[in-house]
This record gives sequence, C-alpha cells and structure tokens, in this order.
Amino acid sequence: DTGVSQNPRHKITKRGQNVTFRCDPISEHNRLYWYRQTLGQGPEFLTYFQNEAQLEKSRLLSDRFSAERPKGSFSTLEIQRTEQGDSAMYLCASRQAEGSGNTIYFGEGSWLTVV
Amino acid sequence: TQLLEQSPQFLSIQEGENLTVYCNSSSVFSSLQWYRQEPGEGPVLLVTVVTGGEVKKLKRLTFQFGDARKDSSLHITAAQPGDTGLYLCAGAKQAGTALIFGKGTTLSVSS
Repeated sequence: DTGVSQNPRHKITKRGQNVTFRCDPISEHNRLYWYRQTLGQGPEFLTYFQNEAQLEKSRLLSDRFSAERPKGSFSTLEIQRTEQGDSAMYLCASRQAEGSGNTIYFGEGSWLTVV
Repeated sequence: TQLLEQSPQFLSIQEGENLTVYCNSSSVFSSLQWYRQEPGEGPVLLVTVVTGGEVKKLKRLTFQFGDARKDSSLHITAAQPGDTGLYLCAGAKQAGTALIFGKGTTLSVSS
C-alpha cells in the first residue's frame, strides 16, 4: 500500500537554518497539496500543484517558503532562514484531478521544531 | 476570519454518551468532508457529503449536510474511548479547489 509518504517525519533545527521536506504522493495522483498545522488547530492551506504547475499559493507562504514539483511526481517544501514561528507540522496531500470528487489523502506529516 | 467555524472546540464526555459537533459557514460549499486526526498523524477522511440535505451514516457516526450547503454536523451515538481525537470539517468552494479546514473539535471520551 503506497499512501502519501513524507520525510523526514521529524526535524529539529536552529533558527536561521534552512530545512527541506519531501512528499511522495500516491502514484497517478496529479494534484499535490501542502498544508501547515499547529497544535490543536486545523490545517492551513499553503499551496498546491497540478502536475508540475503550482496553481495556487496562500498568502501564508512567505518569501522564505518555496515549493517545487519539478517532474510532476514528488514535491519539496523548503523553508529558508527558519524562525521559531515556523514550528508546526507540515502536511502533504494528494488526489486525482478527475473522477474522485474532492477526496484527498494526507500523509502523516513532517514535524518541524525550530529552536 | 475563519471561513468554517466548528463548535464546540473541546468536548469531554463519558463513554456511552451521545454528542454532536457542528461546522458552520456563511459560504456555500460544493462539498464538505469530515476528518479524524490522532496526535502526530495526518487527518484521515471519514466521509464526504455533496448534496444539500444529504445524510450519511458510518456505524455510530451520522453526518448531515445542510440544505443550503453552508453547514454540516457530525453526531456520534454511544461514544467510546476509541472515538477520542481531533475532528475536522473541511470544505471546497468549488470542485477541485483546495480544501479549507475548520479549527477542529477535540473530543475526549473517558471510560
């Protein structure tokens, strides 16, 4: 069973360092989403891709954040010059663009702690 | 401004009790979904409701989509400790657009 896979699952980094998270979506899912979630809150939308095209970006995605999906398969989310406020779980999700309504499937998330 | 308002934010009940969680908005959604999330894990889809007035049942869970497609409810009958978790509603304003989540309801069921 190949669900949405994220790594690393946990990352502790010092303030000011750069971090990168990777997401491998369910194969043949051409839409890929990134969300951020803090404790006790619902996920907040960051950005999504259809194939390799980044179609929408939230204003939460500051210029320190960049996401890529170069070949339309896996995606990376990079955070530059991390700040303590970036500490959160970063969730990736994927779905097919057609034929499956709005059912998206989430990975288990990547926890970031900035110290 | 939170597009999807969930209530209550926290709920602590005894095993065997019934409960209802609400998800309200002033906007119309093409569909609403309910997720359950355990600590340290990603959300897991419980149900998707698409048609106004639709009712779906999943064992002891009953989901309803409002007639105007602006609100939804989740009712749990005879709650069990295994129901403990964060319940999230999420909606898409148009088919295929990104899901918007509510802040969630944290449910704790004690035996």
